Amino acid sequence: DQQVKQNSPSLSVQEGRISILNCDYTNSMFDYFLWYKKYPAEGPTFLISISSIKDKNEDGRFTVFLNKSAKHLSLHIVPSQPGDSAVYFCAASAKNFNKFYFGSGTKLNVKP
Amino acid sequence: DAGVIQSPRHEVTEMGQEVTLRCKPISGHDYLFWYRQTMMRGLELLIYFNNNVPIDDSGMPEDRFSAKMPNASFSTLKIQPSEPRDSAVYFCASSPSPGQGASDTQYFGPGTRLTVL
Repeated sequence: DQQVKQNSPSLSVQEGRISILNCDYTNSMFDYFLWYKKYPAEGPTFLISISSIKDKNEDGRFTVFLNKSAKHLSLHIVPSQPGDSAVYFCAASAKNFNKFYFGSGTKLNVKP
Repeated sequence: DAGVIQSPRHEVTEMGQEVTLRCKPISGHDYLFWYRQTMMRGLELLIYFNNNVPIDDSGMPEDRFSAKMPNASFSTLKIQPSEPRDSAVYFCASSPSPGQGASDTQYFGPGTRLTVL
């Protein structure tokens, strides 16, 4: 059973608008979360992370929000750019876990 | 650093054949991970090593899959015999530490796209 879920396989957004990618998790022990970005024919690359002691972390156009009570996190991209078109994976871990659990990914398409 | 290196980038084989995927992690990284990406299940962790020792292989789907890490700079994932349902992209990743913190992200290789006919 997947402990990290991304229920939207794809998302299409107009350039300049906000992209919101969502991720849900089931294990309440998770306390560290990351987003990875993957272009075709390349491996995933780290984008942004958040610890459970925070509810928001911002890096330029990218902001991750964490709602621990709902076991939900989201990635906001503002403004979206065509170069943001990629597959985005969320991942979760915990202090005693020596591995990350990944979601199934959301393919973002930013239209010019 | 060249990053994580995987070979081959593409592999096409016939059902029943043995397949060996190779990975060279980033120098100095103590952890190595093998993942499989499929449309249905996304990124699945198959196995990971710490200092060349397999720690968790609970994600290995069947006995047909095996992984080794004979030294700190090389790992293999072998499928014998291969089946069409093994067709996927296989990623290798390395990390200085699997814990938490800004330095604890994983660095992925470009992947090997495996097609079993």
